[in-house]
Amino acid sequence: EVQLVESGGGLVQPGGSLRLSCAASAFILSNYEITWVRQAPGKGLEWVSYISSSGSVKYYADSLKGRFTISRDNAKNSLYLQMNDLRAEDTAVYYCARHVGVYYGSGRLNWLDPWGQGTLVSVSA
Amino acid sequence: SSELTQDPAVSVALGQTVRIACQGDSVRNYYANWYQQKPGQAPVLVIYGTHNRPSGIPDRFSGSSSGDTASLTITGAQAEDEADYYCNSRDSSGDHLVLFGGGTKLTVL
Repeated sequence: EVQLVESGGGLVQPGGSLRLSCAASAFILSNYEITWVRQAPGKGLEWVSYISSSGSVKYYADSLKGRFTISRDNAKNSLYLQMNDLRAEDTAVYYCARHVGVYYGSGRLNWLDPWGQGTLVSVSA
Repeated sequence: SSELTQDPAVSVALGQTVRIACQGDSVRNYYANWYQQKPGQAPVLVIYGTHNRPSGIPDRFSGSSSGDTASLTITGAQAEDEADYYCNSRDSSGDHLVLFGGGTKLTVL
């Protein structure tokens, strides 16, 4: 079964750092684009970051203001989200998802499938 | 930037048909995807490219669009369909930038 598994979440103090990992099973992670999405308790989904399959293209949500860095090590079949200067508002479940894209005409159709089970990040003193 | 607007909550009687809407310029200009999320679980893709259903998703789920509004229709809603539903499209700033609607909580009565 094609799956993604996140790890690295936990409780951290404001201003602290965490590095989340995303691992794949039943498919080769390095062949795929990946997106991180977060969900604060009781809230909706919020896009966080995107990375291309090669790692050369990266995008971030404006709200992160440069505090997060997405990266991948295809030789280790691993993908990471480094989160620095964490704030209470970063408290959320963080999901990685396979970002699938298909070109058509002059555009590209994108969707997220599958998603990992999520890892909880809690920022609190 | 762009926005996708969903009604916060919708209800449907067991076995009846319900339509969940998602409004925004990205729907008009690009496409809509839909995800189902049950409590404590990760989202699951139920419709992609506005009207395509992934394998394994029951055929009672269908998608459509008209103008700036995309719709997820559940024909013959089941108790297990009670969940939060999120629409998604691309941001106008770039096709790798992901945009989500605020979500609709579906209650099956």
